[in-house]
Amino acid sequence: GENVEQHPSTLSVQEGDSAVIKCTYSDSASNYFPWYKQELGKRPQLIIDIRSNVGEKKDQRIAVTLNKTAKHFSLHITETQPEDSAVYFCAAQNTGNQFYFGTGTSLTVIP
Amino acid sequence: DAGVIQSPRHEVTEMGQEVTLRCKPISGHNSLFWYRQTMMRGLELLIYFNNNVPIDDSGMPEDRFSAKMPNASFSTLKIQPSEPRDSAVYFCASKNRMGVGSPLHFGNGTRLTVT
Repeated sequence: GENVEQHPSTLSVQEGDSAVIKCTYSDSASNYFPWYKQELGKRPQLIIDIRSNVGEKKDQRIAVTLNKTAKHFSLHITETQPEDSAVYFCAAQNTGNQFYFGTGTSLTVIP
Repeated sequence: DAGVIQSPRHEVTEMGQEVTLRCKPISGHNSLFWYRQTMMRGLELLIYFNNNVPIDDSGMPEDRFSAKMPNASFSTLKIQPSEPRDSAVYFCASKNRMGVGSPLHFGNGTRLTVT
């Protein structure tokens, strides 16, 4: 099956700086990669996703890049704000309709 | 759209008792997933359904856990008997078509505490 690894597990940045979270996957058949943000005590919510036929996608301060050859994808948050503080999960979906989640990154934005 | 609806939000029960968690997926979604979240193990897939049919229950911890989806708008996850190690947040999620490329939509979860 698929194995998704996520790094780092914790990340602290100063407000206004950029944050980068990286994930790798093992199954070359995986072709959909969503990112979720989970605030304390709340549900995971989709913030951005990318399909395998695209190398990069951007939505305001958030961007995701995908390198299919190397089997890794990354989340980039620019101009971080305190409300970006949360746990972020990457995921990979293979042809079997299952989602495989990374172990999460706890991001703290220091005002 | 009300989103995925789970009940109860919190459940506290004693070891040995039966627990039933409920989920109503987003209308029109035909895939439903049950996840368990703990600090130690993160998000674990327990079981998922396509068109009300269980497809993969390999994540169900043991026979104490069972899940049903009697129709397209309702699913239950039952634990009988419950144990302290079952304490976790249980999320239900749905998506709108089979196959790849549509995201999961999560409910608000049920926080289960077994004493």
